[in-house]
Amino acid sequence: AQSVTQLDSQVPVFEEAPVELRCNYSSSVSVYLFWYVQYPNQGLQLLLKYLSGSTLVKGINGFEAEFNKSQTSFHLRKPSVHISDTAEYFCAVSPRGGYNKLIFGAGTRLAVHP
Amino acid sequence: DTAVSQTPKYLVTQMGNDKSIKCEQNLGHDTMYWYKQDSKKFLKIMFSYNNKELIINETVPNRFSPKSPDKAHLNLHINSLELGDSAVYFCASSQDAARSYEKLFFGSGTQLSVL
Repeated sequence: AQSVTQLDSQVPVFEEAPVELRCNYSSSVSVYLFWYVQYPNQGLQLLLKYLSGSTLVKGINGFEAEFNKSQTSFHLRKPSVHISDTAEYFCAVSPRGGYNKLIFGAGTRLAVHP
Repeated sequence: DTAVSQTPKYLVTQMGNDKSIKCEQNLGHDTMYWYKQDSKKFLKIMFSYNNKELIINETVPNRFSPKSPDKAHLNLHINSLELGDSAVYFCASSQDAARSYEKLFFGSGTQLSVL
């Protein structure tokens, strides 16, 4: 079984400041790791994913995430946020070798203030 | 053109009624999904169909019945609606269910309110 814990339910930050959204996971099998973003009144969009190889992955809109196997973490970062980054961010895992079945964390609400 | 479209966007109904939500994707994908997002924003998979065949059924009450007339459509019918069914329901699609590294394309959601 898999589970995903997003350690912060809300993260307020000022525009142009850096931000880190934390994600830890637990799984008895190997997993792929994802970050999705949900803008108000919209469906989810993929930001980035980790499959294998380099532990630092870059995604859209200037976001990046680092996979840490020993800490079972996949934290999302952006060096300088914009107002338009205000959204709900979801970390998710999907078991390798099985059907595509995303298991999501509870989400982190990123609120960027001017 | 919207890749994954679902209708209606809002659905308000009384307890005990039966309702349906429709979903269509124009991406040529083989696999479609239904996810439920509760009031705390927690997202959980309900069903997945691959080429009209049910492949994932996550202990959802049998009042929920998905139907896939073809691989571009996946509808969700809910019988005897209960207050706890109030949520946002998202349809999604991906190219191939067996490739668990593929990204999902989500619709914009149907907000169901049961009174």
